[in-house]
Amino acid sequence: DAKTTQPNSMESNEEEPVHLPCNHSTISGTDYIHWYRQLPSQGPEYVIHGLTSNVNNRMASLAIAEDRKSSTLILHRATLRDAAVYYCILRDSEVYGGSQGNLIFGKGTKLSVKP
Amino acid sequence: KAGVTQTPRYLIKTRGQQVTLSCSPISGHRSVSWYQQTPGQGLQFLFEYFSETQRNKGNFPGRFSGRQFSNSRSEMNVSTLELGDSALYLCASSNRDTNEKLFFGSGTQLSVL
Repeated sequence: DAKTTQPNSMESNEEEPVHLPCNHSTISGTDYIHWYRQLPSQGPEYVIHGLTSNVNNRMASLAIAEDRKSSTLILHRATLRDAAVYYCILRDSEVYGGSQGNLIFGKGTKLSVKP
Repeated sequence: KAGVTQTPRYLIKTRGQQVTLSCSPISGHRSVSWYQQTPGQGLQFLFEYFSETQRNKGNFPGRFSGRQFSNSRSEMNVSTLELGDSALYLCASSNRDTNEKLFFGSGTQLSVL
């Protein structure tokens, strides 16, 4: 079962920032927080991941709470192309031993962007 | 670099038939995993292959099987198709490193009539 909780849906206006929350109260010390998104008619796409510190890349920023029980994906300026389902996923860095293709997806947050 | 390629893009089968789906990973990627996506169950992990060996398997019946070839290309097979097997089947590839990001293909949309 997914170990994260996300709102079912959110709305944003184009060119405004979007903060997508994720709760993961049972996170372990070796769990990384990953975000993927799925645009309509496409496979999921990696967005960002982090462990403890906030992370930035060209797509988004990831803010991780100090106790790591929650995190927020930040899209700095939403565009129409950002309309997608966003998935917050925990990945245990010590589980795999070479096997690391098993992502446990929850329902995600469906983001709508209004022009 | 070419992305993950899945063929065919669409497929229509009837109950009782079998089907084989193909996935070509990104060049250099040795891990290939498969997922099933349905409106009701969302994205569910099927299995993962690394260097031609199945490393992990999800909770699906034995009718679902897969294999990986020496060039890392992978196929999945579903035998004795059921109506409930209608879904989008997604393949993802990655490098070996733990927490390496997964690259997904656009999927094969299977309809079972």
